[in-house]
Amino acid sequence: AQSVTQLGSHVSVSEGALVLLRCNYSSSVPPYLFWYVQYPNQGLQLLLKYTTGATLVKGINGFEAEFKKSETSFHLTKPSAHMSDAAEYFCAVSDGEYGQNFVFGPGTRLSVLP
Amino acid sequence: DSGVTQTPKHLITATGQRVTLRCSPRSGDLSVYWYQQSLDQGLQFLIQYYNGEERAKGNILERFSAQQFPDLHSELNLSSLELGDSALYFCASSVGRRGGYGYTFGSGTRLTVV
Repeated sequence: AQSVTQLGSHVSVSEGALVLLRCNYSSSVPPYLFWYVQYPNQGLQLLLKYTTGATLVKGINGFEAEFKKSETSFHLTKPSAHMSDAAEYFCAVSDGEYGQNFVFGPGTRLSVLP
Repeated sequence: DSGVTQTPKHLITATGQRVTLRCSPRSGDLSVYWYQQSLDQGLQFLIQYYNGEERAKGNILERFSAQQFPDLHSELNLSSLELGDSALYFCASSVGRRGGYGYTFGSGTRLTVV
């Protein structure tokens, strides 16, 4: 079975600073990994995903994440935070295209300080 | 616009009442998933339907039920409502019976039970 942990339920960064949101997963099979973002009063929007191939994946709004199998991690980064990045971020894992499980992490709330 | 439509956006009702939430999946998607998001419990998977049939069940209360119709839209019925049922209810859809490639979320229905 899959599971996801996100270190830090709340992360604060200054505008222009590096954003790093941590995600570690557990999976008995090669995982597919996802980051979703939820802006206030909105649904979840897919930010980026890793399925196979290149381990560094780029998403929308300047975010990227790197799949590190040895560390079972899929951390989300952005070089320079904008005020508009303030939102809740969810990491998720599935057990592949034909897998039966899709599991969300508990989420990390990102605050961006002026 | 994600392509997943949820109605209504907001719903206020009294304890003991019954409500129906509606979801139209993205065009071409056959699976519909229902999630509940509350402050204390995070994002909880309730139930999945694939092409009209129940596919997977999560933490769905017996007071709650769902169905998917031949045109693939889905309804989530919540009955004997309690204050604790106040939450955001999200619908998501995916192409296949397993969401290995990720889900597309609607913008949610905010239910307030008073």
